[in-house]
Amino acid sequence: AQSVTQLDSHVSVSEGTPVLLRCNYSSSYSPSLFWYVQHPNKGLQLLLKYTSAATLVKGINGFEAEFKKSETSFHLTKPSAHMSDAAEYFCVVSLTGGQNFVFGPGTRLSVLP
Amino acid sequence: SAVISQKPSRDICQRGTSLTIQCQVDSQVTMMFWYRQQPGQSLTLIATANQGSEATYESGFVIDKFPISRPNLTFSTLTVSNMSPEDSSIYLCSVDGQGKTDTQYFGPGTRLTVL
Repeated sequence: AQSVTQLDSHVSVSEGTPVLLRCNYSSSYSPSLFWYVQHPNKGLQLLLKYTSAATLVKGINGFEAEFKKSETSFHLTKPSAHMSDAAEYFCVVSLTGGQNFVFGPGTRLSVLP
Repeated sequence: SAVISQKPSRDICQRGTSLTIQCQVDSQVTMMFWYRQQPGQSLTLIATANQGSEATYESGFVIDKFPISRPNLTFSTLTVSNMSPEDSSIYLCSVDGQGKTDTQYFGPGTRLTVL
């Protein structure tokens, strides 16, 4: 069975500084990996996904993530945080493409002025 | 991506009653999913609903408590039956990627409070 660990429940950064949200997964086979963002009182929006193509994946709003099989990681980064990035971020793993999603516990990102 | 709407957006219900949540998609999709997000928690998959077949429930969820309908390729309902305060959660539906089954798109959610 697959599982997802998000190492930080809360990350706080200053506006304009880099963002790093960490995600490690456990999977017996090559997984698909996703990052979703949930703004307060909103649904989930897909930021980016890895599905066995390029290991460096670029998403929306300047976010990107790198799949590292040797480290079983899929960390999310952004060079410069914006106030609008404050939200909850979920890392998701799936062994069956778009089905059977397993969500990580989430990381709350705060952006300080 | 698909445009997904849910009704109601929020509700406050009494213990012992039932609530049916609707999920409408603006295009035909193969698979629809229902999730629960308890307060301050992550999302947990309740069931997968394919049109024309019985929903498939995840461990810990049963049809008597969470009956699901999927009458066509653009619509599904989830009923939360005989509610208790522990059912207070956000319930979200999602759909596959319109023939591309390599991701899911989520609705805005239904925030349920049970008193």
